[in-house]
Amino acid sequence: DVKVTQSSRYLVKRTGEKVFLECVQDMDHENMFWYRQDPGLGLRLIYFSYDVKMKEKGDIPEGYSVSREKKERFSLILESASTNQTSMYLCAGQVGTEAFFGQGTRLTVV
Amino acid sequence: GENVEQHPSTLSVQEGDSAVIKCTYSDSASNYFPWYKQELGKGPQLIIDIRSNVGEKKDQRIAVTLNKTAKHFSLHITETQPEDSAVYFCAAALNTGGFKTIFGAGTRLFVKA
Repeated sequence: DVKVTQSSRYLVKRTGEKVFLECVQDMDHENMFWYRQDPGLGLRLIYFSYDVKMKEKGDIPEGYSVSREKKERFSLILESASTNQTSMYLCAGQVGTEAFFGQGTRLTVV
Repeated sequence: GENVEQHPSTLSVQEGDSAVIKCTYSDSASNYFPWYKQELGKGPQLIIDIRSNVGEKKDQRIAVTLNKTAKHFSLHITETQPEDSAVYFCAAALNTGGFKTIFGAGTRLFVKA
C-alpha cells in the first residue's frame, strides 16, 4: 500500500515561531501537495511540487514556504506562525491521478 | 484558476435511502473529477473518479455522473449504510505535468440507523 506519513498529529506553537511540518512518501513519485482544511472551506491548496527542488504556489501560499530537497520528503514551513494559521494540514502524494493523503497535522498557534 | 462548488454542506438520510451530492466547476479545461471520502481522524481517500470523456461511472453502490456542457458532476450513493457516514469531497483536476487537484468545500453525510 502507498504510504504518506506526516511527522506530527498535533502541534501547538506560539505566535511568531518558525514551524516545520514534515511529510514523507514511499511511492517514489514526483508529485506532492500541501493542503489546509478548515470547516466550510474544504481543502485549499497551499503549495505543490512536481519534482525535487521544484515548487509551485497553490491558491493560498501567503505566509508559507516549502522545501523539496529529496523526492520522498516535502516540508511545509510557516515562517512566522500566526493565529490565523491554526488549522488541519494535509500532505498528499500523487500516483497517476490519485492523491494519497497523510493523516493530517492539527496545528494550533497560540 | 479553477473553482469547485459543492452542495449541500450537510446531508442527513435514513439508512437504506439514497444520497446525492452535487458539484460545479469553473474551468472547462479540467478533465478529471475524483471523489474523496474522509472518515473521522483520517485523511481523505479516493472512492471513485470520472474522466471528461465519460458521462457516468458506477462502482457497486456508488455512481458518478458528469455533464461537461453544464460543468457539473454528482455523486450518488444508493442503499446507504451507517458506515457511509463521513465527509465527502468532490474535486476537479487538470493535467499540468501533474494533476493539480482543486477540492470542493465538502459534504458531511449522516446516515441514521
